[in-house]
Amino acid sequence: DGGITQSPKYLFRKEGQNVTLSCEQNLNHDAMYWYRQDPGQGLRLIYYSQIVNDFQKGDIAEGYSVSREKKESFPLTVTSAQKNPTAFYLCASSLGQGVNEQYFGPGTRLTVT
Amino acid sequence: QQPVQSPQAVILREGEDAVINCSSSKALYSVHWYRQKHGEAPVFLMILLKGGEQKGHDKISASFNEKKQQSSLYLTASQLSYSGTYFCGTAAYSGAGSYQLTFGKGTKLSVIP
Repeated sequence: DGGITQSPKYLFRKEGQNVTLSCEQNLNHDAMYWYRQDPGQGLRLIYYSQIVNDFQKGDIAEGYSVSREKKESFPLTVTSAQKNPTAFYLCASSLGQGVNEQYFGPGTRLTVT
Repeated sequence: QQPVQSPQAVILREGEDAVINCSSSKALYSVHWYRQKHGEAPVFLMILLKGGEQKGHDKISASFNEKKQQSSLYLTASQLSYSGTYFCGTAAYSGAGSYQLTFGKGTKLSVIP
């Protein structure tokens, strides 16, 4: 079955540690995205990538980093510079950037204490 | 800039109708609608392209008025399964041939027996 996988579903970290969230897709989509979701805030774009080895900052990129070395994979690193990292993180992909339907992964809930 | 959704929340009895509105201050190329159940990934409902089209399937339909940069989602004869948070995403041109999708904060819909 084609789809997007994110792992792990729940992640706990101590403050000051970097943590990497995994996102893999087998839909052969060129574009991939990372969103952060907080209660009452909707989905806010962190980073997106339209093609391998290229990515752009979204609206709230500070404290995050990404890489896109393979078409299927778009990992997100939450660094210690991110002041409020506890949130629900969603990865998505689409055929083209911006105008096509986005398919979402199941999400990773990160808790930093 | 996030599109504005209204209302923020609505409670319906089974069989009642609802309208969710989405407005943007930007010139839009398309509007997306998604539904998210608690703790799950958003699920795509439909895309509306500029041209003032209306779309629908089953008892959920939507319209897009590109002159007013507004879209509305219509849910008729609501069912318990319609409960969830509905997000609109607005796609606007962001330069260099790219379009960026920006999501609203969501409308929480609760359908009760």
